[in-house]
Parts: sequence; C-alpha cells; structure tokens
Amino acid sequence: GAVVSQHPSRVICKSGTSVKIECRSLDFQATTMFWYRQFPKQSLMLMATSNEGSKATYEQGVEKDKFLINHASLTLSTLTVTSAHPEDSSFYICSARIPQVGDTQYFGPGTRLTVL
Amino acid sequence: QKEVEQDPGPLSVPEGAIVSLNCTYSNSAFQYFMWYRQYSRKGPELLMYTYSSGNKEDGRFTAQVDKSSKYISLFIRDSQPSDSATYLCAMEATGKLIFGQGTTLQVKP
Repeated sequence: GAVVSQHPSRVICKSGTSVKIECRSLDFQATTMFWYRQFPKQSLMLMATSNEGSKATYEQGVEKDKFLINHASLTLSTLTVTSAHPEDSSFYICSARIPQVGDTQYFGPGTRLTVL
Repeated sequence: QKEVEQDPGPLSVPEGAIVSLNCTYSNSAFQYFMWYRQYSRKGPELLMYTYSSGNKEDGRFTAQVDKSSKYISLFIRDSQPSDSATYLCAMEATGKLIFGQGTTLQVKP
C-alpha cells in the first residue's frame, strides 16, 4: 500500500515552545492530507483537512492559531503546535487521501508529543 | 447518538478462533467502509476497504457490509497472536472518515 511517513516519531518539549511535525507521502502525490489527534485508549479525532496550495479546514473546536498547518507541496504537510502546553500532549497522526482507492486514507506512523 | 458505534471490548480469544468485530452506523450517506488495524503507539493500517453491501475476502480477513441494517463486520479466521491489536471501523462521507471507538483484540497462544 501507499506509504506515509512522519517526523519526528517522538518529541518532548518544554511548555511555551513550538513543535513542528512533518507528514510526507513517499510514493504518491497527495493533494489532501489530514491531521488527527488520539488520546490513550480513544479513537482518532480529526483536527483539520490540509489541501495543497490552500488554507487548511479546521474542525469545530480546534484552534487554528494554535495548530498551524501548511501544505506547501504535493508530498509534504506540516503541523506546528504553537506555545505548547501539557494538555497538548497527545499522539498526532497524519493521513493522505488516495483518490484512486475510493477516497480512503493511508496513515503515517504517528508522532507522540509530550509537553513538560 | 454517535454516528458510528463500536464495542471497545476488550475481546480475548484463543489462537485459531474465528473473531467477529462489528460496527453499526446511523448515517445513510456513508458510502465507503474501511477496517483499520492499529498496534500500540503506531498509526492505523488499512486492512479492508469496501463500498457495497456483501462480503469481501482477503486472506484470513472477510469484510461484510449490510447497508439495509447499517451494520458492518470484520471476520478474522484462524486468529494469531500477531492479530492482537485495536481494530477500528471507519466510514467515509463528504471526504472525511468517521471512526468507531475501536475494539481491542487479544489472541492468546
């Protein structure tokens, strides 16, 4: 199947700092990528939809100024958590849509963020 | 009422058993149905994808969709300890995936 990578896989930062997470589609072009957040023993919560060359669409309740998304190319989307707080600690997962496969999504391995 | 309901389990079975995982949904607009497997601290891995009522088989996995009852299932035959993971059903509408809560499966040797 299609391969999506994320970097870093794990990051620990101090409260108040910003953290950037990269999501790459390795063997295909992804015009649409998605960012999810997952708390322990819970399902995935969609944060935003990232479209190449345009502004991201955020889900209700997600602060767009706190979670900055940039989709500058067909293979790269970034999520920046600004002024991180301990409550932002979570597992962040990106995915890319494969239009040829009925709009299903392939997921990256996830990034575990811990804010001290 | 959630759009997608899935029993979180946990479900524990002996090796070799047939496993049945299920989800119900309320939105008749869902067109695509998927099953993902997620190991601890990893991203979800696509297992099965289907868009019509009926059965779809891939190796030991069979996905079943009943649109009239708004019910989907995933069957795992000859379950192995390596199948121990969380299984998430997902449904697509308007370009977004809606996930079930996930069922944690443990296959004991």
